[in-house]
Amino acid sequence: GAGVSQSPSNKVTEKGKDVELRCDPISGHTALYWYRQRLGQGLEFLIYFQGNSAPDKSGLPSDRFSAERTGESVSTLTIQRTQQEDSAVYLCASSLGATTGVGYTFGSGTRLTVV
Amino acid sequence: KQEVTQIPAALSVPEGENLVLNCSFTDSAIYNLQWFRQDPGKGLTSLLLIQSSQREQTSGRLNASLDKSSGRSTLYIAASQPGDSATYLCAVKDFNKFYFGSGTKLNVKP
Repeated sequence: GAGVSQSPSNKVTEKGKDVELRCDPISGHTALYWYRQRLGQGLEFLIYFQGNSAPDKSGLPSDRFSAERTGESVSTLTIQRTQQEDSAVYLCASSLGATTGVGYTFGSGTRLTVV
Repeated sequence: KQEVTQIPAALSVPEGENLVLNCSFTDSAIYNLQWFRQDPGKGLTSLLLIQSSQREQTSGRLNASLDKSSGRSTLYIAASQPGDSATYLCAVKDFNKFYFGSGTKLNVKP
């Protein structure tokens, strides 16, 4: 597609429920990133995928968070047993490669509210 | 761990003013530094990218400088316009991820 597409754009869920967030990167972009942005704060790195290499999961805040990506296609971020502190905007970005700063395109994000 | 700080957190100026946004980072071993703009409800738009070997980059009314040794970058906006109102984010990159500051929320009044 023309840009990075994220769905849903908004999600309200009850505490304790599981949620899945989806990111559809730009075709041909081998690198894909997930970030989290809490209200009034900067972006926190969550996870990074580069082609078929093992993902860098160093930013995942707990084992309730997981993400998958098959090849260079869609990625899903799953949050299990959601907590109120998980409320944030989750942003996905993709890039032609990981070692260059050019070509990073961000999606519009999924705003997650846990009530 | 890399820490990125942006000051001021918010800035309100009348149209036409020249202004400077500041970014500092704690680890000078960066790959590059990038300034982004974030509009409400939208994703991030890349404004300027400075490679670690460069000192500055310019695009239109925007000029960004980088002093790696002191861990500082500035974004200079000339002749500000109401359309410049947004949150400006600074991000430094190690090999494979960005570390972001909390942003400067800019309001340019007509």
